[in-house]
Amino acid sequence: ELKVEQNPLFLSMQEGKNYTIYCNYSTTSDRLYWYRQDPGKSLESLFVLLSNGAVKQEGRLMASLDTKARLSTLHITAAVHDLSATYFCAVDRRYSGGGADGLTFGKGTHLIIQP
Amino acid sequence: NAGVTQTPKFQVLKTGQSMTLQCAQDMNHEYMSWYRQDPGMGLRLIHYSVGAGITDQGEVPNGYNVSRSTTEDFPLRLLSAAPSQTSVYFCASRRTGKGEQYFGPGTRLTVT
Repeated sequence: ELKVEQNPLFLSMQEGKNYTIYCNYSTTSDRLYWYRQDPGKSLESLFVLLSNGAVKQEGRLMASLDTKARLSTLHITAAVHDLSATYFCAVDRRYSGGGADGLTFGKGTHLIIQP
Repeated sequence: NAGVTQTPKFQVLKTGQSMTLQCAQDMNHEYMSWYRQDPGMGLRLIHYSVGAGITDQGEVPNGYNVSRSTTEDFPLRLLSAAPSQTSVYFCASRRTGKGEQYFGPGTRLTVT
């Protein structure tokens, strides 16, 4: 059974600081997804990581994927209050035929950035 | 494009009632799926479809039915609502089984 574990689950940090969220998964996969969710809202796609060694950056967020270690990281640089949200990583579930049947999600990292 | 749309946004049901959550997408995506989100649990896959006429179970299918008669629509039916089905339900679609998933705005369901 595929398991996806994120840590930490809760993170309170100050503006201007750097921090990393970790996402470990239990089976081989070369695709990993990061989403952001604001309270009461839907999920917004942040990054799609499609191969080992993939690195993507958008503003103060950078995501990377190490498929051999089954690990992805989401790094926050010089955090600002607007980045406060819940961040989820997800991995494709079982493959059959043309692709996966859906995503298995981590439990999410609730991030609070204080001024 | 409207993307993925869901109705209703909010719903309150009594135990034992049935209802259908609607989901539609206008991106001509083959893959569609339903997830539920509970506090501290992330999202869990209920049912999915790889094309019109083809559906299958996900991780937590009990108490739910789906059908896919067109590419655009993928309704989720609660047969006899139970308090354990109180949750936020998200519909999602993706062009193939390998690409990014796009999520609808969600339906917040309360069963009393």
